[in-house]
Formats: sequence, C-alpha cells, structure tokens
Amino acid sequence: KAGVTQTPRYLIKTRGQQVTLSCSPISGHRSVSWYQQTPGQGLQFLFEYFSETQRNKGNFPGRFSGRQFSNSRSEMNVSTLELGDSALYLCASSLERGITEAFFGQGTRLTVV
Amino acid sequence: GENVEQHPSTLSVQEGDSAVIKCTYSDSASNYFPWYKQELGKRPQLIIDIRSNVGEKKDQRIAVTLNKTAKHFSLHITETQPEDSAVYFCAATGSARQLTFGSGTQLTVLP
Repeated sequence: KAGVTQTPRYLIKTRGQQVTLSCSPISGHRSVSWYQQTPGQGLQFLFEYFSETQRNKGNFPGRFSGRQFSNSRSEMNVSTLELGDSALYLCASSLERGITEAFFGQGTRLTVV
Repeated sequence: GENVEQHPSTLSVQEGDSAVIKCTYSDSASNYFPWYKQELGKRPQLIIDIRSNVGEKKDQRIAVTLNKTAKHFSLHITETQPEDSAVYFCAATGSARQLTFGSGTQLTVLP
C-alpha cells in the first residue's frame, strides 16, 4: 500500500511570506501528527489531528497552524515566516492515536531566506 | 505533558560490540514505547516497540527493556554492524495519547 506522502519535498521562501505543506496519510489512518526537525533539536511536536479535530498542540507560536480534511489529508500553514523556521517538517500517520506505529513521510525541507 | 529524556546524545562503538541507549519518561500513565531509526537523509522508521504490560522484547540483534517503576526504558543492540550507524529516537505515549520523542542518539559503528 502507498506510504505517507508529503508535498512539496523542497521549498524556498522569503521572510514574511507564508507557506502551506501537505500530508496524505496511509489509507485508513485517521491520526496525523506534524513534527519539526532541526539539527540537534530532534523531533519537535507541532500538532496532531484525528477525525478532522486538533487533539494535541505543541509549544509553537500561533503562526503555525494546521487542519485535517474529511479524507484525513492534512495541511500545515506557517505565516510570517522567520529564518528560524527553516527545518525539515515531517508528518506521520497512524491507525490509532499514539498507541500504534507512526509511519513518517519523507518530509518537506523548508528554507527561509 | 509527557517529557522524554534520552542519553547519550552521541555514541561510538567498535563493530561487533554492543550499544545501549537509555530514555526516561515523566508520565506514569505512559503505555507505549517505540524506538525509531533515522538514517542520513531518510525518514524515521520503527525498529521495535514495547507496551507497558511487557518488561522486555527482542527482535534478532535488537532488544528493548522497560522499567515502569523507575520510568525508564532502554534499547540494546548487540553485534553492531556499520549499517546500524544512524540516529535513534525513543518515544513514549502519555495520557494525552501524544507520541513524544527523545532528543535522539547519533550512533556510529566504527569498522
């Protein structure tokens, strides 16, 4: 079966712009989580969606937002980009919330210049 | 919320030796503890997981142990090989049912 798909793979944006990243989970998975990965910072949790509802949110400013559609596809949006937002953004889908294997996408590499 | 601490941040071992990575968690209600391996330029992938009703689990050269009383769990890799070189992340799911990751361990297996 198809894995988790993230688009686009690479993005270059200018400070102050906004960006939207997309994540298509594995078919049948209703839980989608987003993580920010930077060198030396591990996997920082952004938010989790399940059945179109945000269930958990990490410690990120309100510039970071997300949503989930009825087909479980998810998007995250970052407004007013800052240089420090440059990172690899990973999404992961799972069958059940938090207690079954999380399958990661390849990630979107965002560079803010 | 859940807090997961992971040590060491870097670990170098000789090929054939064993490697041990340790994690502690804060939420006593945590019940699921997966370990992920991330090779350079690739996505994290699950290598083994353990649930709170089990104390130890093995899969070939990899084993995980869980001590619920002390709230810590460990990954053990025996007979290490160069292809084991990667970043390893532990994680735990607490009462909020959110998977929280440790900060990662860069394992280097020296030939």
